[in-house]
Amino acid sequence: GENVEQHPSTLSVQEGDSAVIKCTYSDSASNYFPWYKQELGKRPQLIIDIRSNVGEKKDQRIAVTLNKTAKHFSLHITETQPEDSAVYFCAATDSWGKLQFGAGTQVVVTP
Amino acid sequence: EPEVTQTPSHQVTQMGQEVILRCVPISNHLYFYWYRQILGQKVEFLVSFYNNEISEKSEIFDDQFSVERPDGSNFTLKIRSTKLEDSAMYFCASSERKRTDTQYFGPGTRLTVL
Repeated sequence: GENVEQHPSTLSVQEGDSAVIKCTYSDSASNYFPWYKQELGKRPQLIIDIRSNVGEKKDQRIAVTLNKTAKHFSLHITETQPEDSAVYFCAATDSWGKLQFGAGTQVVVTP
Repeated sequence: EPEVTQTPSHQVTQMGQEVILRCVPISNHLYFYWYRQILGQKVEFLVSFYNNEISEKSEIFDDQFSVERPDGSNFTLKIRSTKLEDSAMYFCASSERKRTDTQYFGPGTRLTVL
């Protein structure tokens, strides 16, 4: 089955700097890669996703890149703000729709 | 904007008791999921459901678990005889037309087994 590895587990950045979170996956059949943001005690909220026919996608300060050959994908947050502080999860799914999540990255943005 | 809803928000139960967690998926969605998240850990897939039957289940989803869509709006997860290690946040999710559509998560039910 699919195995998703996520790094780093914690990430501290100064406000205004960029944050990068990296994930790798094992199942070459995986074709959908969402990123979720989870604030303490809240539900995971989708922030961006990418499908296997695309190499990069951007939405304002957030971008995701996908390298299918290497089986890795990354989340980039630019111009970080204190409200970006949360746990971020990457996930991968195959055609059956089962999301396999990474272990999460605790992002702390310090003013 | 439509959202997935879940009840109750917090359920406390004694070990060995049965619990039913309830979810109302987004109304035009066809695929439903249950996930769980043990405190401080990652979200784990339990089961997916489509067309009134289970599509896929994980090794966590053993005989103690069952799911049901009792009517046109509710989707339930039943744990027959709860164990201490079932304590977790349980999230319901739904997606629209196919399995690889975006999955929208409900607010979760925190299950505490004493």
